[in-house]
Amino acid sequence: DQQVKQNSPSLSVQEGRISILNCDYTNSMFDYFLWYKKYPAEGPTFLISISSIKDKNEDGRFTVFLNKSAKHLSLHIVPSQPGDSAVYFCAASESQGGSEKLVFGKGTKLTVNP
Amino acid sequence: EAEVAQSPRYKITEKSQAVAFWCDPISGHATLYWYRQILGQGPELLVQFQDESVVDDSQLPKDRFSAERLKGVDSTLKIQPAELGDSAMYLCASSPRTSGNNEQFFGPGTRLTVL
Repeated sequence: DQQVKQNSPSLSVQEGRISILNCDYTNSMFDYFLWYKKYPAEGPTFLISISSIKDKNEDGRFTVFLNKSAKHLSLHIVPSQPGDSAVYFCAASESQGGSEKLVFGKGTKLTVNP
Repeated sequence: EAEVAQSPRYKITEKSQAVAFWCDPISGHATLYWYRQILGQGPELLVQFQDESVVDDSQLPKDRFSAERLKGVDSTLKIQPAELGDSAMYLCASSPRTSGNNEQFFGPGTRLTVL
C-alpha cells in the first residue's frame, strides 16, 4: 500500500510559466514532507520541506503548500527554467525519536521547454 | 562542501555472483541509510543505522543482503548471490543526529546491473 502517491508520471511546461507538482499521502502521522530533485545518474538533492504544522513554505522560486485535511501537498515552481527539468520526488517522514526514514512517491518527471 | 561518497558508481555482474557497495557518509552524521531505487519507482529503505547499530532492516532481504557499519562511520552493503531482480540504483544517505526537518543527504548512488 503506497503511503505517498505522485499520480502524474510526467509534466511539461513552457519556460517562464508555473510548474505545479502534486503529492498525496495516507499516513496522518507524517510530520515532515520534503521535495527532492533528481537528475539522471545522480542521487536525489533536497529542494524544500514543510512541517505538518504549517501550510506554506517558500524558498525563492519554490513554494510548497500543505493541505492536511485533504492529505495533499503541492510544489510550485515560478518561473520555471530549463534547468529545472528533472524528476521530482515527494517524500514524507514520521519522527519516531531517531527512526526518521523517508517514504517516497514514484516521482514526476518535469520537462521545461525553452 | 561535504558530500556522501559511494563506490563503485556502476557495477555489472552475473547472477549468482557476490557484489558489495561502499558508502562514506558526511563527517559527523550519526544516521546512515541504504535505499534501493528500481527504475520508475521512488527510493525504498533497505536498512538504517544509528551509529553502528541497525535501527530498521525490516525491508532488507536478509537471505541474500547484508549490511554493516562496524565503526559507526562508513558502511558496506553486500548481495550474495545477486539475482536479476536486484538490478537497481543503490543509494546511500546520511543525516545528523538531530535534524530540524528530517532532511537526508544522498550520495550519487551505485547503478547495479545483473545479467
